[in-house]
Amino acid sequence: AQSVTQLGSHVSVSEGALVLLRCNYSSSVPPYLFWYVQYPNQGLQLLLKYTTGATLVKGINGFEAEFKKSETSFHLTKPSAHMSDAAEYFCAVYNQGGKLIFGQGTELSVKP
Amino acid sequence: NAGVTQTPKFQVLKTGQSMTLQCAQDMNHNSMYWYRQDPGMGLRLIYYSASEGTTDKGEVPNGYNVSRLNKREFSLRLESAAPSQTSVYFCASRANPGQQNTEAFFGQGTRLTVV
Repeated sequence: AQSVTQLGSHVSVSEGALVLLRCNYSSSVPPYLFWYVQYPNQGLQLLLKYTTGATLVKGINGFEAEFKKSETSFHLTKPSAHMSDAAEYFCAVYNQGGKLIFGQGTELSVKP
Repeated sequence: NAGVTQTPKFQVLKTGQSMTLQCAQDMNHNSMYWYRQDPGMGLRLIYYSASEGTTDKGEVPNGYNVSRLNKREFSLRLESAAPSQTSVYFCASRANPGQQNTEAFFGQGTRLTVV
């Protein structure tokens, strides 16, 4: 069954530093993977998604993620953190029944 | 377009009371979802509806019922609220359950407190 695991419930970086949020997947078939962001007191919005083709996926707000089949990973990165990036980030995958399954979430804090 | 609309945005219930959370989408999507979000636990699926007329249990269905009233609307009912159901509830929809490359769209959430 497809599932995702996010390593680190909380990540803190300084403004301008690299952001790295980790997501590993478990799937018996090539998965479609998603990263969502949730700003305080709001719903979730899509950051980016991996379907097929290019393994490096670019999303909104300067984020990108690389699909690595050999490592079963889909880590989210941003070269330079901004204060406005402070939010909670979720990795997600559909299971074979069409249900969207989320990781536990990673809260990103950005220090000035 | 409004996207996915949830009502109410906030609610306080007493233990044992019942209520229905409403969700409507105007994107002509086939699939709809209900999740609850609790600190440190991510989003957990309560119920899922692949299409009008079908519903399926998710990870945490106990204490909840759902109705897929039509293609637009998917409601979540708490028959006898318990403090353990204090949470933030999100509704989501997506276009086609057969296409796993399509993303889900989320409502703004309902913050429910059971006292």
